[in-house]
Parts: sequence; C-alpha cells; structure tokens
Amino acid sequence: EDKVVQSPLSLVVHEGDTVTLNCSYEVTNFRSLLWYKQEKKAPTFLFMLTSSGIEKKSGRLSSILDKKELFSILNITATQTGDSAIYLCAVYAGNNRKLIWGLGTSLAVNP
Amino acid sequence: GAVVSQHPSWVICKSGTSVKIECRSLDFQATTMFWYRQFPKQSLMLMATSNEGSKATYEQGVEKDKFLINHASLTLSTLTVTSAHPEDSSFYICSARDPDRGLYEQYFGPGTRLTVT
Repeated sequence: EDKVVQSPLSLVVHEGDTVTLNCSYEVTNFRSLLWYKQEKKAPTFLFMLTSSGIEKKSGRLSSILDKKELFSILNITATQTGDSAIYLCAVYAGNNRKLIWGLGTSLAVNP
Repeated sequence: GAVVSQHPSWVICKSGTSVKIECRSLDFQATTMFWYRQFPKQSLMLMATSNEGSKATYEQGVEKDKFLINHASLTLSTLTVTSAHPEDSSFYICSARDPDRGLYEQYFGPGTRLTVT
C-alpha cells in the first residue's frame, strides 16, 4: 500500500530557529513529491520535486529530494511567527495521477 | 495566476437538507478538479476526481449518490452533499490542475466549512 509519512508530527520552536521537516514515502511508480503549507484554510503550494539532489529554494524555505533513500526534507531558516502552519507532503504515484498525502507536521513558531 | 475559488466559505445547514459547494478556476481552464474533505487534525482525504464533461471518479468508501459532483464547464465543478447529516460536517476543499503548468501541481480553493446541525 502506498504511504507517505511525515515527521515530526508537531514542532515548537522560537523565532530565528532553523527547522527541518521530513517526509518519507513508499509508493509504486513515483512521479513527484510536493510540499504545501496549510494555515487556517486550504493548502498553498510550496515546492514540487521530481529529481534527486536538486535543491528548490524560495526565500527562507528550501527543499530537496532523495529518490534513493525515498525521502524529502523541507528546511526553514530564521523562522518567523508567520511560518506557523501545518506543512503537508504529498506524492504523485502510479498512473492515476492521484496525490497521496502525509498527515502533516504542525509547526508553531513562538516569538 | 492559478487561482481557485470556492463558494460558500462556510455553511450551516439542518440535518436532511442538501448543500451545494462551488469550485471555480478563475484564470485558467481546469479539465480536472479534485474534491477533498479534511477532519480536524487529519490530513486531506480525496473524495473524487472530477473531469469536465464526464462522470466523476469516486474513491473507495465515498457514496456517489450522497456526494454528487458535476463538472459542467472547464472552470466550474460543484459538489452537492445530499441529505446531510452531522457526520458530514467537515472542511471540504477543491483543487484544480492547470494543464499549462504541468501534470502534477494542484491549486487549492480556500475550502468550505460545512456544519450540519
């Protein structure tokens, strides 16, 4: 059965800290991995990763994929209170183009 | 670009009534839209895949007669929760794929919070 596992499930840090969120997967016919940020409403797209070892970067956020070890990490440097959210990882697999979602990591950044 | 809207953003209805939720792609044509529901502190659960001009594909365990999906145009899909019950109370989110931006990225609407009393 295809699955996506995120860790940790929750995390509390102070402003300015750097955090690393993990996403591991076991799927057949992997196509791509996506990261989303969800605050009070629907998820907003962060990154899509398809190739190993190529870092995607957007401001203080960056992400990389390891297709050999079947995981991805999402890094946030110099965290701010506005980074507080649930970070969701999802994987496209198989021929049916459906996303398989992890449970998310709930990040709280305290001032 | 790639903006998806949903209406209403929240709705309260009485048990036994039906509720329609609209999902629109505002600046692109979406041949495929997805409907999810999310319970508190849980991840997104795909309910169905909606293809313009054809019947929706429902996930296992989702009652198609209860959750009616219509995708009549390239910019609009609707989800109707028929004969709603309190256990249908949830956060319903739609997403759409923009074919011009690739096969894998999905853009989400803001969600609709349904409360059935």
